[in-house]
Amino acid sequence: QITLKESGPTLVKPTQTLTLTCTFSGFSLTTNEVGVGWIRQPPGKALEWLAVIYWDDDKRYMSSLKNRLTITRDISKNQVVLTVTNMDPVDTATYFCAHYTTVNAFDIWGQGTMVTVSS
Amino acid sequence: DIVMTQSPASLAVSLGERATINCKSSQSVLYSSNNKNYLAWYQQKPGQSPKLLIYWASTRESGVPDRFSGSGSGTDFTLTISSLQAEDVAVYYCHQYYSLPTFGQGTRVEIK
Repeated sequence: QITLKESGPTLVKPTQTLTLTCTFSGFSLTTNEVGVGWIRQPPGKALEWLAVIYWDDDKRYMSSLKNRLTITRDISKNQVVLTVTNMDPVDTATYFCAHYTTVNAFDIWGQGTMVTVSS
Repeated sequence: DIVMTQSPASLAVSLGERATINCKSSQSVLYSSNNKNYLAWYQQKPGQSPKLLIYWASTRESGVPDRFSGSGSGTDFTLTISSLQAEDVAVYYCHQYYSLPTFGQGTRVEIK
């Protein structure tokens, strides 16, 4: 059974760096065609994909946020970490991590973690 | 980046009636080497994470009721709920994974 869980701060100040951790089980991030992605959702708004890391350590980022995002993995801990620099109130959102395959996209999602950006 | 445009933004359907949601991509998401459309549909109920319903445009995820179906190819796609049930009230998103992933803006489905 695949599960994912996001963890990190619930409140960050403007200009600070956000670090979120996705801890997963039930699969290996070294299996071909597998990845873990991050998607966010501002309150009352649509889903917005941010980044994905693949089985071969390849990484892809949302074009408009590329300069602020970094995704990494720790295979031994079954974790994927997303950092977002220079946080702004518009970055207030629920952040989800999700299991990805090249066949059926984001098929399993974590519960999400709400992050508020406020001074 | 590929832009996904859904219509309508919301719709109200009577119980047992058909609901149809459209999704248009700004460029084709059909991968010619395997003739697969890299288009998925998700259902998100209030306070919950999105749930995968359909991938490859028309393949139902395991456990998804057969009243949900997907169709289309290239740039135009449709999600159909053949007989709306009360538990289908949700926001539905289309998503392309042909290139850098993008989502539509969502369609809210309510009971009339």
